[in-house]
Amino acid sequence: EVQLVQSGAEVKKPGESLKISCKGSGYSFSSHWIAWVRQMPGKGLEWMGIINPDDSDIRYSPSFQGQVTISADKSISTAYLQWSSLKASDSALYYCARRRSGTYDPFDYWGQGTLVTVSS
Amino acid sequence: DIQMTQSPSTLSASVGDRVTITCRASRDISSWLAWYQQKPGKAPKLLIYDASTLESGVPSRFSGSGSGTEFTLTISSLQPGDFATYYCQQYNVYWTFGQGTKVEIK
Repeated sequence: EVQLVQSGAEVKKPGESLKISCKGSGYSFSSHWIAWVRQMPGKGLEWMGIINPDDSDIRYSPSFQGQVTISADKSISTAYLQWSSLKASDSALYYCARRRSGTYDPFDYWGQGTLVTVSS
Repeated sequence: DIQMTQSPSTLSASVGDRVTITCRASRDISSWLAWYQQKPGKAPKLLIYDASTLESGVPSRFSGSGSGTEFTLTISSLQPGDFATYYCQQYNVYWTFGQGTKVEIK
């Protein structure tokens, strides 16, 4: 069974750093790109970026370029999303999702989400 | 950037109703469009991809159509578990979601 399991909820202060994780199982982790999607409270879905775990090729949405860093460690089937200096506006629910393999692909499996709260 | 616009934003319907949601792309995306269902507190679930292909395990009352810039998701007979928010997503150039359509009980 394909599963993406994300790290738990975080409460941080503005200016702090944070790294959240997404561990894949039940499939060949290196064979599928992993995306990160933001959902702000009561709002819709926003694609942030995507990484190929096999070679760490990364594409960022222009809206998130420079704001976050995406990485992956294929040896432990885990992708990461990190911030160097959080802002209150980073408070949101963050999902990882697997890109179905092919040339043009939707996201076929999703993690359960990681809630990030940034407050002084 | 490709922009995706859904309509309506909210839809009130009853069990058994036929429901249609529209999604428009700001430029031609061929058939590279997916529909997702999201229930409160849950991750999105892929329903349809390539505009009209039903994901495995998804009930046949869900269907999708369209190509180019205009697409529709139809639920032929709304069931109690279908009250949720639906998002379209283009994957022709990177990925962009529509703003969502909430299907609520009338």
